[in-house]
Amino acid sequence: DTEVTQTPKHLVMGMTNKKSLKCEQHMGHRAMYWYKQKAKKPPELMFVYSYEKLSINESVPSRFSPECPNSSLLNLHLHALQPEDSALYLCASSQGLIRGNTEAFFGQGTRLTVV
Amino acid sequence: SQQGEEDPQALSIQEGENATMNCSYKTSINNLQWYRQNSGRGLVHLILIRSNEREKHSGRLRVTLDTSKKSSSLLITASRAADTASYFCATDAIQGAQKLVFGQGTRLTINP
Repeated sequence: DTEVTQTPKHLVMGMTNKKSLKCEQHMGHRAMYWYKQKAKKPPELMFVYSYEKLSINESVPSRFSPECPNSSLLNLHLHALQPEDSALYLCASSQGLIRGNTEAFFGQGTRLTVV
Repeated sequence: SQQGEEDPQALSIQEGENATMNCSYKTSINNLQWYRQNSGRGLVHLILIRSNEREKHSGRLRVTLDTSKKSSSLLITASRAADTASYFCATDAIQGAQKLVFGQGTRLTINP
C-alpha cells in the first residue's frame, strides 16, 4: 500500500464552523506533513510531524490546529477560518525526514472552501 | 526565501517533442526533487537527485543538477498527452529545518 488517503475530498464550511481534515497512511512512514496550496501556486509547508511529535510549525495561525494521534494518522482541526483560507490542503508522508534523501508521498488533497 | 524561480512558467508543445523545464534555487541543498501535479490533485514524486550527483535518468525523464549555478533541469523526451501537468522542483536546504520547499512550477501542455 503506497497511498496517502485524505478525507474529505471537498469541504465547504462557514467562518464559525469547526471541522477536521483527516490523513492516513499505512506505509510505516514516520514523518507526516500538511501543505496548503492556492490556485496556480506551489504547495506551502504548514506543519511537519516526526515520530508523532510536531517538529515544524511554519508560523501558521492558531485557527489551524494539527494533531497526530498515532504514526498512521494526521488530522488538521479548523476553527474560525477566513475566506482567504480557501485552498487545497495536501497531506504527505515520508519514510524519514527529508534530510535522509527520501521522497514524499502525497494524498489527493482536500479542496476547502470557506464561506 | 530558499527557492528561486522555475522557468518557463508555462510551456506548450506538440506530442512527441521534448520538454525542458528549469529550476533555480538560492541556498546550498542536500537534495533536489521533481514532482508532477495533475490539475487540482496530489503531487507525484518523479525523481530525486542528491547534491553530489550531476545527472539522473528515469524512463523518459532526465534530470541534471549544477550546484555551482544552483540550478536544475528536467527533460521529458518523446512527450505524450498524459504528460500534461504542472511540474515542481523542491529542495531541502543543508542548513536549517528539514523540509521540502517547492518552486513556482511549470505548467506543461502537450498538444495532440
